[in-house]
Amino acid sequence: EAGVAQSPRYKIIEKRQSVAFWCNPISGHATLYWYQQILGQGPKLLIQFQNNGVVDDSQLPKDRFSAERLKGVDSTLKIQPAKLEDSAVYLCASSRNWGNTGQYFGPGTRLTVT
Amino acid sequence: QKEVEQNSGPLSVPEGAIASLNCTYSDRVSQSFFWYRQYSGKSPELIMSIYSNGDKEDGRFTAQLNKASQYVSLLIRDSQPSDSATYLCAARDSGGGADGLTFGKGTHLIIQP
Repeated sequence: EAGVAQSPRYKIIEKRQSVAFWCNPISGHATLYWYQQILGQGPKLLIQFQNNGVVDDSQLPKDRFSAERLKGVDSTLKIQPAKLEDSAVYLCASSRNWGNTGQYFGPGTRLTVT
Repeated sequence: QKEVEQNSGPLSVPEGAIASLNCTYSDRVSQSFFWYRQYSGKSPELIMSIYSNGDKEDGRFTAQLNKASQYVSLLIRDSQPSDSATYLCAARDSGGGADGLTFGKGTHLIIQP
């Protein structure tokens, strides 16, 4: 079965610019997560979707970050405007259902803000 | 706020020996625990999950959970150079609909040939 797909793999932007990341979860996985991983740290949850509804966005900086999951499949995460501290790897993960099932990560998008 | 603590290492283990990785968590609500392996420049890869007190074995890997002590560990038997990576411990609540993972910073493991 195909894994989680993400694009682009790398992105370099200047501060105050905007950027968008795309994620396609594993087929049949209802739950989708976006994590931010800063160098030397573990991933930090930004937002969780169950189908096309938001379950948890308590750690999403809503003044600059937004995310959507139209039709309950693909998802996009947007940053506008970007700050230097947003430089990180943005990881998308999916799981089959909520609960005691594993979360499987995509390859990530490495964002550098200059 | 839930916290997951790991020793960042590096932890150096000779090839063929047992590598022991430890993790503690602060929140008694946490019910499910996961170990991920992350090679440099790659994304985390799920290697073990554990939900109940005791041991769970899968090949060369054994996960151990002690909820009373809020302690999770991962043992890697017959360590190989390919096991050299950062190992991330993660905790997940089982209450409500939100089940995102809280990760530790990871332990950098080096297997010496």
